[in-house]
Amino acid sequence: AQTVTQSQPEMSVQEAETVTLSCTYDTSESDYYLFWYKQPPSRQMILVIRQEAYKQQNATENRFSVNFQKAAKSFSLKISDSQLGDAAMYFCAYAGGGADGLTFGKGTHLIIQP
Amino acid sequence: EAGVVQSPRYKIIEKKQPVAFWCNPISGHNTLYWYRQNLGQGPELLIRYENEEAVDDSQLPKDRFSAERLKGVDSTLKIQPAELGDSAVYLCASSLAQGPGLNTEAFFGQGTRLTVV
Repeated sequence: AQTVTQSQPEMSVQEAETVTLSCTYDTSESDYYLFWYKQPPSRQMILVIRQEAYKQQNATENRFSVNFQKAAKSFSLKISDSQLGDAAMYFCAYAGGGADGLTFGKGTHLIIQP
Repeated sequence: EAGVVQSPRYKIIEKKQPVAFWCNPISGHNTLYWYRQNLGQGPELLIRYENEEAVDDSQLPKDRFSAERLKGVDSTLKIQPAELGDSAVYLCASSLAQGPGLNTEAFFGQGTRLTVV
């Protein structure tokens, strides 16, 4: 079974600075997908960024980028120029190449200090 | 376009009572998921539907939980009878397609927060 580990229960960063959230996963599959979801207090999970395992290039979405290390099974999220609206729970998630649902980590609570 | 709609947003019931949650996925999305999110945890998959067929219900506690997706559109998740440990947020999600090489983005609803007292 696949597992996703987020070792940082909580992170705090000053507004406008950069923060990196860590995620590691375990799988025996070669074809899979990795995601970062944001969950604000409204509870709705919002996709921040996704990475296909077969792509060597790290995904980027505006201020959000990932560092995907396939051999190390590591998938960290970097948020540049942090904004107050970035404050939320962030979940790392894994999906296999077959018809699977998502396996989530336990989440990291991101606090933005004004 | 409307997103995934869930109701109710909140539900408080006494233990041993039944409860039902409703989900309306994004139009045209064939795949529908129900997740349970305990406090301080990430969501965990309960059941996945491909159209009206439940293709993965291995994590659904079948002694008290049931789900249906009539006509491959709306879905209902039921608990009967509810226990104190069922208190959680129940999230519904949908996606356009699933399958090898077709893993697409899952869109989530706002969830139902269930409190069993």
